[in-house]
Amino acid sequence: DTEVTQTPKHLVMGMTNKKSLKCEQHMGHRAMYWYKQKAKKPPELMFVYSYEKLSINESVPSRFSPECPNSSLLNLHLHALQPEDSALYLCASSLVGQTFYEQYFGPGTRLTVT
Amino acid sequence: ILNVEQSPQSLHVQEGDSTNFTCSFPSSNFYALHWYRWETAKSPEALFVMTLNGDEKKKGRISATLNTKEGYSYLYIKGSQPEDSATYLCAFANTGNQFYFGTGTSLTVIP
Repeated sequence: DTEVTQTPKHLVMGMTNKKSLKCEQHMGHRAMYWYKQKAKKPPELMFVYSYEKLSINESVPSRFSPECPNSSLLNLHLHALQPEDSALYLCASSLVGQTFYEQYFGPGTRLTVT
Repeated sequence: ILNVEQSPQSLHVQEGDSTNFTCSFPSSNFYALHWYRWETAKSPEALFVMTLNGDEKKKGRISATLNTKEGYSYLYIKGSQPEDSATYLCAFANTGNQFYFGTGTSLTVIP
């Protein structure tokens, strides 16, 4: 199984809502990543978890809160988002958190903040 | 934020043509260079990860080269097919654990 799954596929939320994005992989990978991609821009790294511990936080606002409950699962909790946070959120995993390992990506969650 | 540039931004080629595009990255503190293919409505898919200056990698009709001293990588597609139509992204990793994607090259292969 070389698949990374993400749910939901699409999410519309108001600025006062609390929602979560979910990512799952069963490849035995020990590093998982969250990226944000705005239209016509490259994906931007947000967070990296390595062995279930947060290893990189690229100065992301606290309204985004990642969580890695176990080695297969990665969540992104969203609260009090702004319309400019509307984007495609991609999850990825790799064998370990060294950046010379290829990353396996999920299909993304398209988030719209109204 | 590091500058990772790809050119051209978009490209239209006829089926059967060979093509290539460029990824430019900082030449200092190099660690790894990734190439990904991203088809519309699908997930980005890893093509290559290269770490050594002079590396050349090949997967079927697609190959890539790496020059870390001058800060560029080329991706080549031989005999383009319509199924090669996608956005091709490079990503640069430095020794400071920073990881940045390039701006992408959108390839359309016309049957």
